[in-house]
Amino acid sequence: QLQLQESGPRLVKSAETLSLTCSVSGDSIRSNADHWGWIRQPPGKGLEWIASISYSGHTSYNASLKTRVSIFVDTSKNQFSLEVTATTAADTALYYCARVNAGYFFDYWGQGILVTVSS
Amino acid sequence: EIVMTQSPATLSVSPGERATLSCRASQSAANNLAWYQQKPGQTPRLLIYGASTRATGIPGRFSGSGSGTEFTLTISGLQSEDFAVYYCQQYHDWPLLTFGGGTKVDIK
Repeated sequence: QLQLQESGPRLVKSAETLSLTCSVSGDSIRSNADHWGWIRQPPGKGLEWIASISYSGHTSYNASLKTRVSIFVDTSKNQFSLEVTATTAADTALYYCARVNAGYFFDYWGQGILVTVSS
Repeated sequence: EIVMTQSPATLSVSPGERATLSCRASQSAANNLAWYQQKPGQTPRLLIYGASTRATGIPGRFSGSGSGTEFTLTISGLQSEDFAVYYCQQYHDWPLLTFGGGTKVDIK
């Protein structure tokens, strides 16, 4: 059974960089054509797709976040990561990693990690 | 960017009744649409993809329909565990993906 687990600091100072890692188990991150992605959910609000990456490193980003976001894949560790630079309180959210089936929809999700950006 | 708009924001339904949720795309999404369910404090769960194909393990009371710009998620015979927030997501504009704002289904 495929499982994903987010990890990283839960508190980030405003203007600093938010860095998260998603560890994948139960399958190889490069076993097929699926992509891997990050989604976030501010407290009490809806879902926002942030970025996706294929195992070969092809990336795609939400246009509203593109200038501040980077996504990476480390196939040797079966992990992928997210960085968000120049953070503000608006980046406070529950961050989920997920498998993006064929790059289209999210069929396996991590449990999520709440990251708070404080001043 | 394809903007997804869900309505209503909140839908009050009695157990056993049918719930009909709408999702509208700002431009055609063909049938490249997924639906998710999120219960309080839980991770979203994939319900439907391809506008009408149920994901593995999803009960038959959940059905999706529509294409182009108008989509519907129907829950027939609402059960207590179905009260949740539901999101639509388009992938027609791949690799750019967008979610709707969600519809909360609560107990009437």
